[in-house]
Amino acid sequence: KNEVEQSPQNLTAQEGEFITINCSYSVGISALHWLQQHPGGGIVSLFMLSSGKKKHGRLIATINIQEKHSSLHITASHPRDSAVYICAVISYNTDKLIFGTGTRLQVFP
Amino acid sequence: ETGVTQTPRHLVMGMTNKKSLKCEQHLGHNAMYWYKQSAKKPLELMFVYNFKEQTENNSVPSRFSPECPNSSHLFLHLHTLQPEDSALYLCASSQDPRGETEQFFGPGTRLTVL
Repeated sequence: KNEVEQSPQNLTAQEGEFITINCSYSVGISALHWLQQHPGGGIVSLFMLSSGKKKHGRLIATINIQEKHSSLHITASHPRDSAVYICAVISYNTDKLIFGTGTRLQVFP
Repeated sequence: ETGVTQTPRHLVMGMTNKKSLKCEQHLGHNAMYWYKQSAKKPLELMFVYNFKEQTENNSVPSRFSPECPNSSHLFLHLHTLQPEDSALYLCASSQDPRGETEQFFGPGTRLTVL
């Protein structure tokens, strides 16, 4: 079992829908990253958070440290949001990143 | 040119070939990383360099040989690879190697070993 689990693994949506991607982890962490990987391969950092909630445009990330869970929400989804979204946690003990396997999102017009 | 660049973007090689992957960062960062991304598996950290010195080797087989001549350039030399080494190899850089420091990724090299 991975230390970082994401759900769902694959997600399809119609343009305009509200999207939620979940991340659960089993280790103590100092912070959590949400990353976006487009089909070309490059990865972009979306958020880093250690508590509460962050918002950037149509993207919202929340984290509950007690429950060891984070969610990434996309409001008014658009086909250009189609990508793989990766959750990664920073292990408190090792200061190393531990990655989830990613959620593949496809948004259709 | 800005950001992190990788060449080549695609590489097909036989098991007896020797090839090298190149990564260059134009961000003035001091830490550089090699990651392996296989289908349906999480990113795997392979190597970390900080100020040109290797600070982490994550039990990577010796058929992968990294080289960091300066803080801006990172190479991954490949020889006698196996088909299971086929994957996307991603380079990243950051200001320092602390976990909370944002890493900037290159576009990756898609490697196929025949």
